[in-house]
Amino acid sequence: EDQVTQSPEALRLQEGESSSLNCSYTVSGLRGLFWYRQDPGKGPEFLFTLYSAGEEKEKERLKATLTKKESFLHITAPKPEDSATYLCAVQAWGSQGNLIFGKGTKLSVKP
Amino acid sequence: EAGVTQSPTHLIKTRGQQATLRCSPISGHTSVYWYQQALGLGLQFLLWYDEGEERNRGNFPPRFSGRQFPNYSSELNVNALELEDSALYLCASSPRTGGVADTQYFGPGTRLTVL
Repeated sequence: EDQVTQSPEALRLQEGESSSLNCSYTVSGLRGLFWYRQDPGKGPEFLFTLYSAGEEKEKERLKATLTKKESFLHITAPKPEDSATYLCAVQAWGSQGNLIFGKGTKLSVKP
Repeated sequence: EAGVTQSPTHLIKTRGQQATLRCSPISGHTSVYWYQQALGLGLQFLLWYDEGEERNRGNFPPRFSGRQFPNYSSELNVNALELEDSALYLCASSPRTGGVADTQYFGPGTRLTVL
């Protein structure tokens, strides 16, 4: 069964304290892995798509990496405005369109 | 470029009633997806429409249904509402390239409360 596990469930950082979020996945053939950011009561905001092991993408203070079993979202020198829930999702070959989401990591960055 | 839009923002219904939620995709996108985000459960896939056809549905009962119109907008209908249907309903759209995984872009959601 395809599944996605994110850790930790919650992470508290001081402003400027770099860290990483983990997304472990089990899927019968990875078609794509997605990272989203979600603020309370709002829809997920797209961050990155990764397609194959070894791929990396960056955007401002965020960097996403992908291996054959997991993905990491590295946050460098975070700011309070980076506080949100970060969601990881996978799409498998033959999945007929649907994304399988993890439960997310709730990040809080204190000034 | 306008993003995915959803209406209404909030919807309050009583048990047994029907709810209709609407979604307009990003211009040029032909695929529309519906997800349910209930408290503590994460996003669960409901339905996928492309070119007016239902392409796939998640593990939800038949009282969850929908359709896609010729302009690619979509509506989700939930019949015989139950208390556990209370959730944030999210619509996403993507282009249908048929190749690598197509990124899904989400709307702001409709908060459905069933009393």
